[in-house]
Amino acid sequence: EAGVTQFPSHSVIEKGQTVTLRCDPISGHDNLYWYRRVMGKEIKFLLHFVKESKQDESGMPNNRFLAERTGGTYSTLKVQPAELEDSGVYFCASSVSGGNTIYFGEGSWLTVV
Amino acid sequence: GNSVTQMEGPVTLSEEAFLTINCTYTATGYPSLFWYVQYPGEGLQLLLKATKADDKGSNKGFEATYRKETTSFHLEKGSVQVSDSAVYFCALHLGGTASKLTFGTGTRLQVTL
Repeated sequence: EAGVTQFPSHSVIEKGQTVTLRCDPISGHDNLYWYRRVMGKEIKFLLHFVKESKQDESGMPNNRFLAERTGGTYSTLKVQPAELEDSGVYFCASSVSGGNTIYFGEGSWLTVV
Repeated sequence: GNSVTQMEGPVTLSEEAFLTINCTYTATGYPSLFWYVQYPGEGLQLLLKATKADDKGSNKGFEATYRKETTSFHLEKGSVQVSDSAVYFCALHLGGTASKLTFGTGTRLQVTL
């Protein structure tokens, strides 16, 4: 069974540009999460989808970040326009409904220069 | 609120040494507790978990016991290897509508020959 997959694995963009990260959760997982680890700090929660609905977006840093999960399958996280402080690793994760184990992807490493 | 506190790193050990990484938590309910590991250049992997008090999670020679009385979930391994060099994250999960992981800051472990 495929795990959580993320694309791209690495991205280098200039300040002011736009980047879209994609996440494919494990098949059948209704819960999908985005997390971020910036500059070696703690991993911080960004938002949580249940199917196509945003259950909790309290961790989204500002309106430059937009997450979608149309159809309740894959999700995208768009950063527009990107700033230097957005550099870090963006992790996507998923879990089954009611499950307490969350499985992570390998992360999308974003560098804004 | 919910929080996880981990010992500061980096931790540097010789191969075959005993490892302890301390983790304590604060939670409003009864969380499940996890250790995740991030090897260099890779994503987050679930190392072990415990879902209730006095449970012991174990995997790859690592162990951690859920201690409700001390709100702790310390990670231990009797004999570390160079291949254990990684960043270790302690995390808690409450489930329900607050279904997200709260992470500690991570502890970097460096094992030398």
